[in-house]
Amino acid sequence: KNQVEQSPQSLIILEGKNCTLQCNYTVSPFSNLRWYKQDTGRGPVSLTIMTFSENTKSNGRYTATLDADTKQSSLHITASQLSDSASYICVVSHDYRSNDYKLSFGAGTTVTVRA
Amino acid sequence: EAGVAQSPRYKIIEKRQSVAFWCNPISGHATLYWYQQILGQGPKLLIQFQNNGVVDDSQLPKDRFSAERLKGVDSTLKIQPAKLEDSAVYLCASSLDLKGFTEAFFGQGTRLTVV
Repeated sequence: KNQVEQSPQSLIILEGKNCTLQCNYTVSPFSNLRWYKQDTGRGPVSLTIMTFSENTKSNGRYTATLDADTKQSSLHITASQLSDSASYICVVSHDYRSNDYKLSFGAGTTVTVRA
Repeated sequence: EAGVAQSPRYKIIEKRQSVAFWCNPISGHATLYWYQQILGQGPKLLIQFQNNGVVDDSQLPKDRFSAERLKGVDSTLKIQPAKLEDSAVYLCASSLDLKGFTEAFFGQGTRLTVV
């Protein structure tokens, strides 16, 4: 079973609207949680990175939240633009102190923004 | 700062043929990852290097896949012989440290089609 689950699998929104993507994980302990944006045909690009002690982190119109108690994170996109159409991937970095250096990836949420 | 370079961008081969991918990480990055990304899924780790040593290759199909990182810089990933199910995007990523504190930067990937 994947240790990082994302929902929804895909969504379509109108330009200018907001949306929220969800990430649930079971990785424990972990070092940090990241959100990546992957445009079609490109490699993932980091949007935010949060340690377990951080609750929220913003990057322009992208705001990520983290609840380490419930093992949930969300990515909120404000005032969406056509260029936001992409796959958004949640990634959890395992705790190196457990001699575990893996990054666990979710399957991603595909966002399509329509004019 | 130059990013992670990968080549080729695209490759089409027949099943049972061999293929090799090349990756040049960001200068100074000790950790290098190779991922396989099948359409609609998140990246799956194949192998992780720290300098020229292997940290994790538990998910590398060693009967047909091999990878090396000579001198702890460039890396090559080889598939021999290829199967239809190897059709995927192969992503290379690098990061400064092994402990997962710093961002992993991805290349644009090599899209492999096995026919």
